[in-house]
Amino acid sequence: AQSVAQPEDQVNVAEGNPLTVKCTYSVSGNPYLFWYVQYPNRGLQFLLKYITGDNLVKGSYGFEAEFNKSQTSFHLKKPSALVSDSALYFCAVGSSASKIIFGSGTRLSIRP
Amino acid sequence: KAGVTQTPRYLIKTRGQQVTLSCSPISGHRSVSWYQQTPGQGLQFLFEYFSETQRNKGNFPGRFSGRQFSNSRSEMNVSTLELGDSALYLCASSLELAGHTEEQFFGPGTRLTVL
Repeated sequence: AQSVAQPEDQVNVAEGNPLTVKCTYSVSGNPYLFWYVQYPNRGLQFLLKYITGDNLVKGSYGFEAEFNKSQTSFHLKKPSALVSDSALYFCAVGSSASKIIFGSGTRLSIRP
Repeated sequence: KAGVTQTPRYLIKTRGQQVTLSCSPISGHRSVSWYQQTPGQGLQFLFEYFSETQRNKGNFPGRFSGRQFSNSRSEMNVSTLELGDSALYLCASSLELAGHTEEQFFGPGTRLTVL
């Protein structure tokens, strides 16, 4: 069965510090992995994806994520957090012609 | 290029009624997925349509149904509304490349309130 887990409901980070939002997955076959962000009163926006190739993928707004096959993880990272990064982040997983399912979301709060 | 549009943006219904939500995908996108977003349950997958066929389905009761038209526009219908159906319903469209779905582009959602 296909599943994705975001173990942290909330992550709090001071501005300027590095941030990590965790995601683990389970899928049959090769995974397609995505991160999305939802700002207050705005729709979901695509951040980055891993389909194939380099395990480290770079996305919008300075975010990056590392695909780790052995740990079945796809953690989202940023070297230096901004207050404007405060939002709800979703990890999503799919595989060939399968549905894309989303994690429960992690609320990222960056304090000045 | 126009984004994903959803109509209506807001709906208020009473229990027992039915509702139809509409989604127009980005031009050229043939995959359309529907999700239900609630504060407690996050984003729950409802179904996906591709080329007018339902390709994937989530774990929702039969009261939730959908369809896709030849121009890729999609509708979802909820019959016999229950209080628990109050949620934000999101539609997403995507390209299909080399047998897999690319990133999804989301509409603003339809906020359904059931009284």
